[in-house]
Amino acid sequence: GAVVSQHPSRVICKSGTSVKIECRSLDFQATTMFWYRQFPKKSLMLMATSNEGSKATYEQGVEKDKFLINHASLTLSTLTVTSAHPEDSSFYICSAVRIGYTDTQYFGPGTRLTVL
Amino acid sequence: AQSVSQHNHHVILSEAASLELGCNYSYGGTVNLFWYVQYPGQHLQLLLKYFSGDPLVKGIKGFEAEFIKSKFSFNLRKPSVQWSDTAEYFCASRKNSGYALNFGKGTSLLVTP
Repeated sequence: GAVVSQHPSRVICKSGTSVKIECRSLDFQATTMFWYRQFPKKSLMLMATSNEGSKATYEQGVEKDKFLINHASLTLSTLTVTSAHPEDSSFYICSAVRIGYTDTQYFGPGTRLTVL
Repeated sequence: AQSVSQHNHHVILSEAASLELGCNYSYGGTVNLFWYVQYPGQHLQLLLKYFSGDPLVKGIKGFEAEFIKSKFSFNLRKPSVQWSDTAEYFCASRKNSGYALNFGKGTSLLVTP
């Protein structure tokens, strides 16, 4: 149990377009989901905390107008990279905190975004 | 602010060798500590975690870690590695339950036959 999926797993887009990444908790409900970004050979950096039914909380240095987060239900959070540029190319990973089990985060498999 | 540092970026070991990966955290208050593993092409999986109690924590696949408060350390160990342990290992901390994780830069482990 406690499976988190991300869609798509890979996406290639042209500069200037927008890309939506979905994060779903398949067999549990999550009021909180986190979005991380992983650069090659580097650590996962927290981008934002997504809470169901409220606005996301962004980390310092993360542009909220560029990385739009929506957490419309207890099983789905979306990250939209607007007007993507090559420097946005990265590996985006989400994690979900199961309601009542806040000790553990369950990670999605990640989405590889390449902006040409 | 919290930070986590992992001293070894790349480690190469032969099968059956012993493993110890270093991890130090900076937060001085109550802290939860984790080790995650990421196998090639797969998502992050929890190896073990420490919240309180016995500072020697046993995890899955024969891994263990020791929390040493005086050294702000949470090193990962395995007495005898296998080829299948080849992966990226991340140490992480957080202030409390429900908070996001603060990750180290990761250690890439290659186990050779």
